[in-house]
Amino acid sequence: DSGVTQTPKHLITATGQRVTLRCSPRSGDLSVYWYQQSLDQGLQFLIQYYNGEERAKGNILERFSAQQFPDLHSELNLSSLELGDSALYFCASTLNPGQDGELFFGEGSRLTVL
Amino acid sequence: SQELEQSPQSLIVQEGKNLTINCTSSKTLYGLYWYKQKYGEGLIFLMMLQKGGEEKSHEKITAKLDEKKQQSSLHITASQPSHAGIYLCGAPPGPGTASKLTFGTGTRLQVTL
Repeated sequence: DSGVTQTPKHLITATGQRVTLRCSPRSGDLSVYWYQQSLDQGLQFLIQYYNGEERAKGNILERFSAQQFPDLHSELNLSSLELGDSALYFCASTLNPGQDGELFFGEGSRLTVL
Repeated sequence: SQELEQSPQSLIVQEGKNLTINCTSSKTLYGLYWYKQKYGEGLIFLMMLQKGGEEKSHEKITAKLDEKKQQSSLHITASQPSHAGIYLCGAPPGPGTASKLTFGTGTRLQVTL
C-alpha cells in the first residue's frame, strides 16, 4: 500500500459525458501528479500540483482539467469524453519534487468510455 | 522531448532463469527510476539510480546506470513467478528532481513454471 488513494477504481461512461477522478496523496506529501496510461501511448505525464498550485503541465488535453485543494487532495476532471480517453489514470505523490525521491503511485482509476 | 526505449518489449522466462531488461534514453540521464506494475494495478517502486556507474540491489533484482551510454539495465537473478509483471523505467527531466518522470514503453515479463 503506497498510501495514495484513488477513487473510483473503475468507471464506465458514455461519450460526451464528464467524470471526476479523485486522489488523496500520502500523508504529508505536498505534490500530486496525474498520469494517463493507455495501450498505445504508454504512461504519460498529464499535470503536477504543488501545495495547491499548478507546477507543470504535460500532454494534457484542453478537455481535461485538474486542481489541488487546501487539504491537498486532487481531482482530475475529464469532459466531452471520447472513446480514446479510455485509459488507466494514475495519481502519484511526493513530499518535495525538488529533491530526488520516490514517486508513490496510487492503484489507478480505470476509465472506460463506450 | 526525452524518449525512453525498453528492450525487450516482452519476455517469457522459465522459473529459476536469469534475465535482463534494458532502458535506453534519447537524452542525458539525470537519474533513473525502475517501477514494477502488476497487470492493471498501480506502480511499485523498485529502485532509483542517481549517478553514473551506480548499482543497486534489492533481493534478487539489480539495477545499473551507465550515464555515458544513456542506459540502465535491470537484472533479475533466479526468476520467480512473483517477478511477473510490467517493468517500467522512468527518468526525470533534470538533476535533483523527481517531478514529471518520462516513462519507458515497458517490458512485460512472464515467468513460467
